Amino acid sequence: DIQMTQSPSTLSASVGDRVTITCRASQTISGWLAWYQQKPGKAPKLLIYETSGLDTGVPSRFSGSGSGTEFSLTISSLQPDDFATYYCQQYKTFSGTFGQGTKLEIK
Amino acid sequence: EVQLVESGGGLVQPGRSLRLSCTASGFTFGDYAMSWFRQAPGKGLEWVGFIRSKAYGGTTDYGASVKGRFTISRDDSKTIAYLQMNSLKTEDTAVYYCIRGAGANVLRYWGQGTLVTVSS
Repeated sequence: DIQMTQSPSTLSASVGDRVTITCRASQTISGWLAWYQQKPGKAPKLLIYETSGLDTGVPSRFSGSGSGTEFSLTISSLQPDDFATYYCQQYKTFSGTFGQGTKLEIK
Repeated sequence: EVQLVESGGGLVQPGRSLRLSCTASGFTFGDYAMSWFRQAPGKGLEWVGFIRSKAYGGTTDYGASVKGRFTISRDDSKTIAYLQMNSLKTEDTAVYYCIRGAGANVLRYWGQGTLVTVSS
């Protein structure tokens, strides 16, 4: 099974900061990598698909990059609504493994 | 508009059974695989399993932690996917999400989740 490892687990930042979250797959997943945002008590929301595709309605301050086994999510200028937990997910295999999550906190 | 609504969660004793339902609307249900993921309190997201569409045989696959205890089925005429959970354990306590598609797809459409608590 493909394992997904995110770093950091927690990230403290301020409004306006540029932040990057990384995700590493235990084997190559080509570009089959998605990013989700989850707020407390809510289902995850798709942000990025196929490594860098922005889902409909997602602000352009979110971007994704990477290939093979190394991927990243960048938020160019944090807004108050962005403080949440972020998950990467591989969808090369039908188990669709998620990373353990990165909690983005207000500094 | 795609909508997925889970129901059937609640408090259940270890060793007992529970069946969750996922009622879908806003799309041609029979054309899609349907998945279940879960999230234990304060934890990450774990794949439970999925059922393929009838066009792909309607077969199922499950995660290792639930294989042999959980069964996913579907009723395309009612646009409902089911998760039958038997021999429940305390470690099955989680919010269970119904999702359109399989884990090998982008998971764009999620239900709101239903909480299952396994405790004596």
